[in-house]
Amino acid sequence: SYVLTQPPSVSVAPGKTARITCGGNNIGTKSVHWYLQKTGQAPVLVIYYDDDRPSGIPERFSGSNSGNTATLTISRVEAGDEADYYCQVWDSSSDHRVFGGGTKLTVL
Amino acid sequence: EVQLVESGGGLVQPGRSLRLSCAASGFNFYDYDMHWVRQAPGKGLEWVSSISWNSGNIGYADSVKGRFTISRDNAKNSLFLQMNSLRVEDTALYYCAKDISGGGRVVVPYFDNWGQGTLVTVSS
Repeated sequence: SYVLTQPPSVSVAPGKTARITCGGNNIGTKSVHWYLQKTGQAPVLVIYYDDDRPSGIPERFSGSNSGNTATLTISRVEAGDEADYYCQVWDSSSDHRVFGGGTKLTVL
Repeated sequence: EVQLVESGGGLVQPGRSLRLSCAASGFNFYDYDMHWVRQAPGKGLEWVSSISWNSGNIGYADSVKGRFTISRDNAKNSLFLQMNSLRVEDTALYYCAKDISGGGRVVVPYFDNWGQGTLVTVSS
């Protein structure tokens, strides 16, 4: 089965840029989606199809995907961005949805 | 506004059964694929099962295959998960999630809306 690998944690100072990676075999050939989950809340979609933003998601959130790594980039990080972030792909060979292990973003 | 409201969770002994429900509103339920995703305490998200808009395509994670059964009632805008032979490791918050795919649309799927979850605790 397809495996997605994320760093357990990323720390960043307010106003700086956070980059959260999601590794997978030839992930650049798949569409990657990103969700944030704040403590005690349900996940929320923040990026779909590698780099598209749903309405209501700030432009500070962006995504990229190439080779074996997809990246979620959060510019001008704010305290309110603290959350767990999950990448997700569709494994078309099995028709299963696959999540990365999640990355806890800490704003220093 | 899309709303997904899960119910049916609770405390159950290992080996017993539980049936989860998800009441959907704010969109044409019959036109979208639906999923169950779970999250064990302090852990990450795990996709559990999916059902296509017309119930013609159903899938399960290996961890629940043969024990869980997903179904839907489009007339009642409801999604279900019948969980049998429950194990301690099935303890989790179970989310109902809406997909963007369905209705014959050929798209790469993703989850665009989530419920708040219902907690299942399997313990003796």
